[in-house]
Amino acid sequence: AQTVTQSQPEMSVQEAETVTLSCTYDTSESNYYLFWYKQPPSRQMILVIRQEAYKQQNATENRFSVNFQKAAKSFSLKISDSQLGDTAMYFCAYEGYGGSQGNLIFGKGTKLSVKP
Amino acid sequence: GAVVSQHPSWVICKSGTSVKIECRSLDFQATTMFWYRQFPKQSLMLMATSNEGSKATYEQGVEKDKFLINHASLTLSTLTVTSAHPEDSSFYICSATGGPGGSPLHFGNGTRLTVT
Repeated sequence: AQTVTQSQPEMSVQEAETVTLSCTYDTSESNYYLFWYKQPPSRQMILVIRQEAYKQQNATENRFSVNFQKAAKSFSLKISDSQLGDTAMYFCAYEGYGGSQGNLIFGKGTKLSVKP
Repeated sequence: GAVVSQHPSWVICKSGTSVKIECRSLDFQATTMFWYRQFPKQSLMLMATSNEGSKATYEQGVEKDKFLINHASLTLSTLTVTSAHPEDSSFYICSATGGPGGSPLHFGNGTRLTVT
């Protein structure tokens, strides 16, 4: 069975600085999808970034980028120029390819606090 | 962008009563919807996968007779917590996908259920 591990329960960063959140996963599949979702205090789940495993290029979305290391099964999220609004729980998630679409396996989350 | 509406956002009910939570996809057709439960400071736990026109698929350990799921149309899935007890108090979230595998999920705002 696939698993997703986020080893950092909590992290903090100063406003405008850069922070990296770690995520590792375990799978025997060669094709899959990886996601980062954020859950701010409002508890609304919001997609941050998405990566397709068969693409070697790391996904980027404005201040958010990933370091996808397929061989190491690592999928870290880098947030540049951190803003107060980035304060949230961040969940790493895995979706198998060809299976039940949308059936995500979530990590336990990392609580990120951005300090002024 | 795609929006999923979840209602109610919070509900308080007495022990022994039933509560219905609705999840609607507002601008897309969702053949599959997912229901999650989230305990404080924890990750999302998938309860069941709701497929339009067929029976829901429940995760191991989730009582299907207690958590009734109905997905009668391509835009509406409902979760009914029957004979609710205080231990059912939790945050319930739905999500939906209208695209192929790997498409981002769209989440509802969640429902906070308190059973007294």
